[in-house]
Amino acid sequence: ETGVTQTPRHLVMGMTNKKSLKCEQHLGHNAMYWYKQSAKKPLELMFVYNFKEQTENNSVPSRFSPECPNSSHLFLHLHTLQPEDSALYLCASSQELVGSYNEQFFGPGTRLTVL
Amino acid sequence: AQSVAQPEDQVNVAEGNPLTVKCTYSVSGNPYLFWYVQYPNRGLQFLLKYITGDNLVKGSYGFEAEFNKSQTSFHLKKPSALVSDSALYFCAVRYPKGDYKLSFGAGTTVTVRA
Repeated sequence: ETGVTQTPRHLVMGMTNKKSLKCEQHLGHNAMYWYKQSAKKPLELMFVYNFKEQTENNSVPSRFSPECPNSSHLFLHLHTLQPEDSALYLCASSQELVGSYNEQFFGPGTRLTVL
Repeated sequence: AQSVAQPEDQVNVAEGNPLTVKCTYSVSGNPYLFWYVQYPNRGLQFLLKYITGDNLVKGSYGFEAEFNKSQTSFHLKKPSALVSDSALYFCAVRYPKGDYKLSFGAGTTVTVRA
């Protein structure tokens, strides 16, 4: 395992539901990331946190709301999603952010289906 | 903007044969280059990276990759493929200065038949 865990692994929700995805890293890293993975498309970077501070919001709709209470935990709050938001959501972490060549460590992902 | 291309959606090889997964990048300068692998129902796992130095980089599970600056390529190779190498492979590029983000290719599905 990579040291990054994600819960739940699978989530089915209606368009009016509110749910949250959780990510936890046990690696002592300072940077954490949310990615969206859709079939046949490159990974889309959604949000980046460095030392708990958000440093990147890659034009993500407001129905996705991230939260990083500390360097080990990252949440993605979901509200009023659309069917096209169905995808695999991956969390990742790395030792540092700016100027670093350190690789990212990924969690197993949450498979989200929006009905 | 940095970008990376994986020209093949799928690669099929027989077990024991050499495996090559292609990757090219379309940026100038000296990027950092990475390969990741994704097995079914799993997240991405780091395989190897090129930062500087020797153009041939060795990584996990017997994989290696060769950085070719003149061709702006970073192809992943394995001399003898295993059925267990069947997975989705992603190439990624990152600049050491300025934009720190990883840009991923669309992925190449490798199928190794017994």
